[in-house]
Amino acid sequence: AQSVAQPEDQVNVAEGNPLTVKCTYSVSGNPYLFWYVQYPNRGLQFLLKYITGDNLVKGSYGFEAEFNKSQTSFHLKKPSALVSDSALYFCAVRDGLKGTYKYIFGTGTRLKVLA
Amino acid sequence: GAVVSQHPSWVICKSGTSVKIECRSLDFQATTMFWYRQFPKQSLMLMATSNEGSKATYEQGVEKDKFLINHASLTLSTLTVTSAHPEDSSFYICSARDLTGGSSGANVLTFGAGSRLTVL
Repeated sequence: AQSVAQPEDQVNVAEGNPLTVKCTYSVSGNPYLFWYVQYPNRGLQFLLKYITGDNLVKGSYGFEAEFNKSQTSFHLKKPSALVSDSALYFCAVRDGLKGTYKYIFGTGTRLKVLA
Repeated sequence: GAVVSQHPSWVICKSGTSVKIECRSLDFQATTMFWYRQFPKQSLMLMATSNEGSKATYEQGVEKDKFLINHASLTLSTLTVTSAHPEDSSFYICSARDLTGGSSGANVLTFGAGSRLTVL
């Protein structure tokens, strides 16, 4: 069965500092990995994805994530945090096995960027 | 890019009544849509997969008679919460995949803005 773990409920970082939001996953086939961001009372917005290719994926708003197969991780990173990055971040995985279209989401990590 | 519209954004209803939430893909056709439920400060729980022209596939533990899903066209799926009770109060979010952009875009879910249901 596929699963996603986000070990931190909340991450606090000072504006201008680098940020990391952690995610580990478990799937039986090849993982399709995603990061989404959610602002209050809104749906989720797509940030970036890893399907295949380069392990370092660049996405929207300066975010990037690194796929690490040996550690089964897909941590979200940004070199310099902005106050406007404060939101709820979800990691998601889809099993790349053909015919499996179920997306499983982690429990979410609340990022708080302090001015 | 792909846009999913969800309506209504907010709904308050009395216990025992039914509420319908609509999910529309505005600029693409979606043969499959997904319905999620999100509890406060918790993750999204997949409720069901809505398939155009056929029955929805419900996740384990989700009452299909309670949460009726209809996907009558390629751009519209509806979720009806029947005989709603206060414990059904939640944030419901739909999503869909836009297959027109090829395999690269096809794996990205586009989400509606969500519908907050409050049952009194």
